[in-house]
Amino acid sequence: GAVVSQHPSWVICKSGTSVKIECRSLDFQATTMFWYRQFPKQSLMLMATSNEGSKATYEQGVEKDKFLINHASLTLSTLTVTSAHPEDSSFYICSATPGQSNTGELFFGEGSRLTVL
Amino acid sequence: LAKTTQPISMDSYEGQEVNITCSHNNIATNDYITWYQQFPSQGPRFIIQGYKTKVTNEVASLFIPADRKSSTLSLPRVSLSDTAVYYCLVGDKRRNTPLVFGKGTRLSVIA
Repeated sequence: GAVVSQHPSWVICKSGTSVKIECRSLDFQATTMFWYRQFPKQSLMLMATSNEGSKATYEQGVEKDKFLINHASLTLSTLTVTSAHPEDSSFYICSATPGQSNTGELFFGEGSRLTVL
Repeated sequence: LAKTTQPISMDSYEGQEVNITCSHNNIATNDYITWYQQFPSQGPRFIIQGYKTKVTNEVASLFIPADRKSSTLSLPRVSLSDTAVYYCLVGDKRRNTPLVFGKGTRLSVIA
C-alpha cells in the first residue's frame, strides 16, 4: 500500500518556540493532505485540509495563524506550530490518498508527538 | 458528514470472534463505510471498506444491512495483538473529502 511518512516522530520544545512537522507521501502524489490532532485517550480531530499550491482549509476553531500549513509540492505538506505552548502538546497525524485510488482509502503517517515544556 | 455511534469499549478473550457495531442513521447515498484500527502512538490503519451487504478480506468482515443505517465489523478469532481502538467512518470516497473520526471502540483482548 501507499506510504505516508512524518518527521519528526517526536519533538520536545520550549514554550514560545515554533516547531515544524513534515508529512511526505513516499510513493505517490497527493494534491490533498489532511492534518489531525489527537489528545491522550481521545479520537482524532481534523484540523485542516492541505491543498497543493493553494491555501489550506481550516476547521472551525483551529487558528490558521497558529498552525501554519504549507503544501508546496505534490509529496510534501508541512505543519508549523507557531509560538507553541504546553496546551499545544499533542499527537499530530497527517494523511493522504493516492490520486489513482478508487477506494478513497486514507493512508496515515506514523504521527508526530509534540511536547511543549 | 454522517455521524457515527459506537460502543466506547469492549473486552474479549483470545480466540473469540468480536463484533463491533456502528450506527450511522443519516448516511448519505454516496457514502461508504470504512473501518480503521489504531494502536497507541501510531496513525490509524485501514481495515475494510464497504457500501452494502457483506465484504470480507484477510483480516475482517463487514456486514451492512439493506438500510445501511448501521454496520458491523467482525474480527474472527482475535489475539492479544488485536487490542486497539477501532473507528467506524462514513463518507464519500472522493479523495478530497476528509474523514471525520468518531470516538471509536477500545477493544481489549484478554489472554
